[in-house]
Amino acid sequence: QVQLQESGPGLVKPSQTLSLTCTVSGASINIGNYYWGWIRQPAGKGLEWIGRIYTNGDAGYNPTLKSRVTISIDTSKNQVSLELRSVIATDTAMYYCVREPRGDWGQGTLVTVSS
Amino acid sequence: QAVVTQEPSLTVSPGGTVTLTCGSSTGAVTSGHYPYWFQQKPGQAPRTLIYDTSNKHSWTPARFSGSLLGGKAALTLSGAQPEDEAEYYCLVYHSGGRVFGGGTRLTVL
Repeated sequence: QVQLQESGPGLVKPSQTLSLTCTVSGASINIGNYYWGWIRQPAGKGLEWIGRIYTNGDAGYNPTLKSRVTISIDTSKNQVSLELRSVIATDTAMYYCVREPRGDWGQGTLVTVSS
Repeated sequence: QAVVTQEPSLTVSPGGTVTLTCGSSTGAVTSGHYPYWFQQKPGQAPRTLIYDTSNKHSWTPARFSGSLLGGKAALTLSGAQPEDEAEYYCLVYHSGGRVFGGGTRLTVL
């Protein structure tokens, strides 16, 4: 049974870079036909797809975030990383790591953008 | 970017049947959009009920089923239980990425 655990700073200042890590256990990140993605949800609002990366490193992003986002994988650590640059207050949200195609979710981590 | 539409809210009686739908501004939703359905209860992370149109996750109750209906993805709940009251989101593939619907608030009453 795969498990995904998000981690990272809970508070980021405006204009800085948000960096999160998803640590995967119970499965090897570079084995199998899987996409590893990130999804976020502002408090009281709906879900927003951020992007995903395939095991071979090919990545796709939400067009509205594409200029600020990078998703990468570190096979040696069995981790997926999210980098969101130049953050603003509206980037405040719960951030979730997800494995496709079955849709396995982490529990999420709350990130607040505030000075 | 495509706009994905869901009913904002629906109500179903206990034991009743309800169908939630997921449409796309670009046309019919097909199996090639690999639609997902997620359930989210207050204070909890979403969990996947259905992936790739109709495949169930290991924890998906048998009363939930996914399909394509009238050009949309559909989630049917047959025999609603009080614990099914939740927000339901669909997610579809579009142009190399994925797009969420706005969610359906399902009330069991």
